[in-house]
Amino acid sequence: DAKTTQPTSMDCAEGRAANLPCNHSTISGNEYVYWYRQIHSQGPQYIIHGLKNNETNEMASLIITEDRKSSTLILPHATLRDTAVYYCIVRGGGYQKVTFGIGTKLQVIP
Amino acid sequence: GAVVSQHPSRVICKSGTSVKIECRSLDFQATTMFWYRQFPKKSLMLMATSNEGSKATYEQGVEKDKFLINHASLTLSTLTVTSAHPEDSSFYICSARADGGNQPQHFGDGTRLSIL
Repeated sequence: DAKTTQPTSMDCAEGRAANLPCNHSTISGNEYVYWYRQIHSQGPQYIIHGLKNNETNEMASLIITEDRKSSTLILPHATLRDTAVYYCIVRGGGYQKVTFGIGTKLQVIP
Repeated sequence: GAVVSQHPSRVICKSGTSVKIECRSLDFQATTMFWYRQFPKKSLMLMATSNEGSKATYEQGVEKDKFLINHASLTLSTLTVTSAHPEDSSFYICSARADGGNQPQHFGDGTRLSIL
């Protein structure tokens, strides 16, 4: 699986959009970008994933650059409950496993 | 949808006992299940991957005789920590995924294991 690079931590004001970047410059053609988050003392929660088109669901939007070497997860209106560690992961299809990096610790500030 | 249930959420037991943790996919069939371990303030570390009906594949450095994994059905996997010792104390998290392709993994809420 391709390696990803994320900032260690970020702050965001409550009610504002949180934009979490991820670099995956070695991503290959069949690898998807997945985002998960982990709130303290809980299991990771799946957020969204995509291949090359931008994706949106009830939780977030995923913007993938045209060259697919980076992506941004957008939480449109951050709340205090969005405070968590966010993981960006790339994985190919089939039965490949998901391995986690350090992620970005997002702190939403009142 | 895509709910993974993990039980128990917390267990405290004496050194030398064996502990079984269950992981169930409640509303989908999990072709593949994964077991992770997480130390405080660290990321998740993959321990093993299992496919229904076959032996688990363990990551390097994970003792297969210590951490027994059984994936007997498409909705249930178990992790047994055998003869547990204090150094086995950790947060264990299971994950399940439906058939291959680009399906995401879904995670249980974890089991906090404390060995006295």
